[in-house]
Amino acid sequence: GENVEQHPSTLSVQEGDSAVIKCTYSDSASNYFPWYKQELGKRPQLIIDIRSNVGEKKDQRIAVTLNKTAKHFSLHITETQPEDSAVYFCAASPRGNTGKLIFGQGTTLQVKP
Amino acid sequence: GAVVSQHPSRVICKSGTSVKIECRSLDFQATTMFWYRQFPKQSLMLMATSNEGSKATYEQGVEKDKFLINHASLTLSTLTVTSAHPEDSSFYICSAVDFQAMYGYTFGSGTRLTVV
Repeated sequence: GENVEQHPSTLSVQEGDSAVIKCTYSDSASNYFPWYKQELGKRPQLIIDIRSNVGEKKDQRIAVTLNKTAKHFSLHITETQPEDSAVYFCAASPRGNTGKLIFGQGTTLQVKP
Repeated sequence: GAVVSQHPSRVICKSGTSVKIECRSLDFQATTMFWYRQFPKQSLMLMATSNEGSKATYEQGVEKDKFLINHASLTLSTLTVTSAHPEDSSFYICSAVDFQAMYGYTFGSGTRLTVV
């Protein structure tokens, strides 16, 4: 089945700097790659997603890139702010449009003021 | 947008008892729902796919007789943790897909289960 690896597990940046989180997936037929932000004890919140027919997507300070050949995708956050501090998860939707998501291990992002 | 309601938000139960968690899609029909489990400081692990009107599909390593899933209507799926043990203590969260909205994944608010 699909396997998603996420790195780094923790990331500390200074306010205003950029943060990059990377994920790799194993199933070349996966076609949907969302990124979630989760605060302690709460549900994951979708922050951006990308489909397999697109190489890059941007939404204000957040961008996601996808390299299908290498089977990896990355989250880029620019001009980080303290409120960006949270746990971020990548996920992949395996073949078949079943709707299920396989999550990466998560990255704890700390933005220092 | 699509809303998924999950109840209860927190539950404490004694070892050996059973606990039922409900997941409802409020404004769309969900033929498929998903149940995840999240241990502290860990990722969301898919437990099973709940299919309306048919048996759930369990991920490898998940005991189907321990985690009973029922999806009797297009808006409700339930997860029952049977004969709960302290190691079942976790954050359980459901999600539903509004296929009309194209990849409209929506998560419930989660249930914090503590088994004492």
